[in-house]
Amino acid sequence: GENVEQHPSTLSVQEGDSAVIKCTYSDSASNYFPWYKQELGKGPQLIIDIRSNVGEKKDQRIAVTLNKTAKHFSLHITETQPEDSAVYFCAASYRNTPLVFGKGTRLSVIA
Amino acid sequence: DGGITQSPKYLFRKEGQNVTLSCEQNLNHDAMYWYRQDPGQGLRLIYYSQIVNDFQKGDIAEGYSVSREKKESFPLTVTSAQKNPTAFYLCASTGQRGERSPLHFGNGTRLTVT
Repeated sequence: GENVEQHPSTLSVQEGDSAVIKCTYSDSASNYFPWYKQELGKGPQLIIDIRSNVGEKKDQRIAVTLNKTAKHFSLHITETQPEDSAVYFCAASYRNTPLVFGKGTRLSVIA
Repeated sequence: DGGITQSPKYLFRKEGQNVTLSCEQNLNHDAMYWYRQDPGQGLRLIYYSQIVNDFQKGDIAEGYSVSREKKESFPLTVTSAQKNPTAFYLCASTGQRGERSPLHFGNGTRLTVT
């Protein structure tokens, strides 16, 4: 089955700097790669997703890149703000199979 | 507003007791899921259901049971056979038609068993 590895497990950045979180996946058939943000005491919320027919997707300060050959994808957050502090999860799946999640990255943005 | 409601937010039980966690959605989604979250472990799939009256085991189904009698509801029972039941439990749902649609999560139930 699918296995998703996520790095780093913790990340601290200064406000205004960029943050990058990387994930690798094992199943070359996976074709859907979402990213979720989880704030303390709440459920994860989708922030951006990408499908395997696209190499990059942007939404304001957030971007995701996908390298199908290397089987890895990354989340990029530019101009970080204190409210970006949270736990971020990547995930992968094939068609409508259940998502397989990475173990999460705790991002701290220092003002 | 459409969404997923998990109740209660906090639940305390004594060891050896079964406990049922509630999950209700009004998004008209076909598929529903239960994930368990432990510190540093990410989200692990317990059970999922893609249609009413049908469900499949996930990666860590032992000690848990579910039912899917209605489209809107997918309760999870944590049985006394679950060796480490204390955790944060998340319910989620997604539409199943056509291209993959995003997974929507509830705000979780934190279960403590002593």
